[in-house]
Amino acid sequence: TQLLEQSPQFLSIQEGENLTVYCNSSSVFSSLQWYRQEPGEGPVLLVTVVTGGEVKKLKRLTFQFGDARKDSSLHITAAQPGDTGLYLCAGNINFGNEKLTFGTGTRLTIIP
Amino acid sequence: DSGVTQTPKHLITATGQRVTLRCSPRSGDLSVYWYQQSLDQGLQFLIQYYNGEERAKGNILERFSAQQFPDLHSELNLSSLELGDSALYFCASSVTSGRVREQFFGPGTRLTVL
Repeated sequence: TQLLEQSPQFLSIQEGENLTVYCNSSSVFSSLQWYRQEPGEGPVLLVTVVTGGEVKKLKRLTFQFGDARKDSSLHITAAQPGDTGLYLCAGNINFGNEKLTFGTGTRLTIIP
Repeated sequence: DSGVTQTPKHLITATGQRVTLRCSPRSGDLSVYWYQQSLDQGLQFLIQYYNGEERAKGNILERFSAQQFPDLHSELNLSSLELGDSALYFCASSVTSGRVREQFFGPGTRLTVL
């Protein structure tokens, strides 16, 4: 059973469009992280959210942690080809447990 | 550049063989994590070491083992290799930010078992 489900699994859109990807679980997470991974490289940490309802912005990327800390979303405004990659959410079940559980991933392609 | 280094970048070997993957964490990080990423399984946590001691275990096969040395570098040993062990293997090290430990990943080792 996959603890973290991401949707959509694949997304291909035109440059300049907006998009949202989702990360959902039936479990409560103490914190949740978003990573971006390019082919053949390691995941790169984008953001960590900790508080239910928290919203963090990173330039054109907006991350939100659900009020119940069971879900999260990533919204990209005016997507650019450089945003292409595999987006992964990962959660900690509790603060004392450092093990990260990764989501299924969303593969995003931005068409110039 | 995350500061985590892994060698080798690529490894091609045959079934039944044994290989060792190496990881050096970021300066000052005491924790090292190993992950396996395959096409059908996504990114799976294998094992964590903290300052030389095993801290947590995930879906690591008995054919696989790891250790962390006094200089904090870590090695992942994979033995009796099977075709299904072909995957990307990542190492990560972590830093505490507030109440959260954030993990930073190395570039990975691509293992191909023929």
